[in-house]
Amino acid sequence: SAVISQKPSRDICQRGTSLTIQCQVDSQVTMMFWYRQQPGQSLTLIATANQGSEATYESGFVIDKFPISRPNLTFSTLTVSNMSPEDSSIYLCSVEGPSGLSYEQYFGPGTRLTVT
Amino acid sequence: TQLLEQSPQFLSIQEGENLTVYCNSSSVFSSLQWYRQEPGEGPVLLVTVVTGGEVKKLKRLTFQFGDARKDSSLHITAAQPGDTGLYLCAGSTGGGNKLTFGTGTQLKVEL
Repeated sequence: SAVISQKPSRDICQRGTSLTIQCQVDSQVTMMFWYRQQPGQSLTLIATANQGSEATYESGFVIDKFPISRPNLTFSTLTVSNMSPEDSSIYLCSVEGPSGLSYEQYFGPGTRLTVT
Repeated sequence: TQLLEQSPQFLSIQEGENLTVYCNSSSVFSSLQWYRQEPGEGPVLLVTVVTGGEVKKLKRLTFQFGDARKDSSLHITAAQPGDTGLYLCAGSTGGGNKLTFGTGTQLKVEL
């Protein structure tokens, strides 16, 4: 399975500011995913990021609030813009599994964001 | 909207006990995965089931996919403190890579 790292691991930010979260994979992958999770609860998909195309956002998430970059096959960023306390959450990136098992996903360790 | 309901939501048991976690939906899934997540980490894939009625075993963990591919269960035999964590089921409908995650089951196994 792929090894995925995220930066930062945690941050405390003031409302109205923006934070960019980085996701690095040790192998080339076509699809990367960004999720949000309240501690101890389920995961909600924010968007799917393919290299070379615009990210596809899920209902309730918009590009102006969560812009995503995917400059190459091993890296992606998610920005949380104009933050409010409601954005406090854990943000996780994931990648698809090996070819033929693309419905499986492997996750990074997450970024715990607190907005004050 | 596809929903995966897990039960129970919370479970606190003693070491050595057995337990079952259920994952139910009204939707049909082409595959279903189970993940375990520990605090401060991302979910880790435990197993994937793809065939209705399929049963897979992973040491003390037994996973079953319902015949109609709408539900699944996870059974743990002789639970150990190392089994503590958040268990998540996740379904895929095929034709894409998006996963729908279940509501989660927080398991605590005490000595």
